[in-house]
Amino acid sequence: EAGVAQSPRYKIIEKRQSVAFWCNPISGHATLYWYQQILGQGPKLLIQFQNNGVVDDSQLPKDRFSAERLKGVDSTLKIQPAKLEDSAVYLCASRPLRGRGTGELFFGEGSRLTVL
Amino acid sequence: ELKVEQNPLFLSMQEGKNYTIYCNYSTTSDRLYWYRQDPGKSLESLFVLLSNGAVKQEGRLMASLDTKARLSTLHITAAVHDLSATYFCAVVRSTSYGKLTFGQGTILTVHP
Repeated sequence: EAGVAQSPRYKIIEKRQSVAFWCNPISGHATLYWYQQILGQGPKLLIQFQNNGVVDDSQLPKDRFSAERLKGVDSTLKIQPAKLEDSAVYLCASRPLRGRGTGELFFGEGSRLTVL
Repeated sequence: ELKVEQNPLFLSMQEGKNYTIYCNYSTTSDRLYWYRQDPGKSLESLFVLLSNGAVKQEGRLMASLDTKARLSTLHITAAVHDLSATYFCAVVRSTSYGKLTFGQGTILTVHP
């Protein structure tokens, strides 16, 4: 079974530029998450989708971050304009619908962003 | 707000020794997960603990959950170098639609 796919793996941009990350979850997984992991810290949830609807975006900095999940499959996370403090790894994760499985999240390899 | 705290944050061990990593959380939860992360890699699921008193073992690692004390432990037996990694615990509240809240992580280094 293919895992969670993310791209690009690495991105370096100047502050105030924009960037977009893409995620393809495990086939059939209805729930998709974007987490931000700053160096030396645990992952922090940015946004959670169930199918193509947003379940939780309370920690998403909406003035600069946006995310969408069209057709309930792939998702993109965009940052515009980027700040220095956005340098982090952006992890995408997915899991089956609640009630199916153990609730365990399956993570992609992540997209490492460096803002100069 | 759910808070998850791990200790220690840094652990340097000799091969062959035993040690325990602790994970405390602040509000009621009945699910706890342990993940491993190697440098530059993503998170790999180690254990899923779904009820009070749950104990899971895999190789030299054993995890347990005490929901009354809001505490989980990850015990390492006879450490080997291959266990060097960062270990995270993550907790789900039943009302949070499956959102995992992670601890800060414990960086484990096993020396010969």
